[in-house]
Amino acid sequence: ETGVTQSPTHLIKTRGQQVTLRCSSQSGHNTVSWYQQALGQGPQFIFQYYREEENGRGNFPPRFSGLQFPNYSSELNVNALELDDSALYLCASTLDRGRRDNEQFFGPGTRLTVL
Amino acid sequence: QKEVEQNSGPLSVPEGAIASLNCTYSDRGSQSFFWYRQYSGKSPELIMFIYSNGDKEDGRFTAQLNKASQYVSLLIRDSQPSDSATYLCAVKETSYDKVIFGPGTSLSVIP
Repeated sequence: ETGVTQSPTHLIKTRGQQVTLRCSSQSGHNTVSWYQQALGQGPQFIFQYYREEENGRGNFPPRFSGLQFPNYSSELNVNALELDDSALYLCASTLDRGRRDNEQFFGPGTRLTVL
Repeated sequence: QKEVEQNSGPLSVPEGAIASLNCTYSDRGSQSFFWYRQYSGKSPELIMFIYSNGDKEDGRFTAQLNKASQYVSLLIRDSQPSDSATYLCAVKETSYDKVIFGPGTSLSVIP
């Protein structure tokens, strides 16, 4: 158990719909990162939030957006879902940014299926 | 495009043998290197991190880093069937916590 939780566990949506995934970080962790992991691939960095502001973004279109709240929770929103968005979505929290020994604590993930 | 590559799998080793997992990265500015283990259907769990050249040992696991060659490896001694999983190499910039993962290497330890 990493102390990071995600909801829901599984989700099925249809193409064109919108989805919100939620993550609750470890208490005191002010940095959260979101990843997309397609089947058989490594996780791909979507973006990172630090103290409620976006702190870096991977190669994902603007329809992927996020929020981070003061209570160490965060959201990943995806608009206009496409079939290729089907993946495991992982959030990971870290105690603080910029430390080279920063360990990321991963949540269990949300499995999104887009039909 | 910053990339992390890993030796293609699947890798099969007999129980008790040494498993060797390799990783190369393209960004010379990378500062920290991580090995994660991921069981099927589960999220990654950290095995080791390393940021200085040389070897770092933790139990049956040894991470090796060579920044000049942009190479990092993980050795698993006395491999057990429970080590069967996908192993992910990850590289992090220090300026912020963007972590780039490799595609993973699937390891099977045969009893």
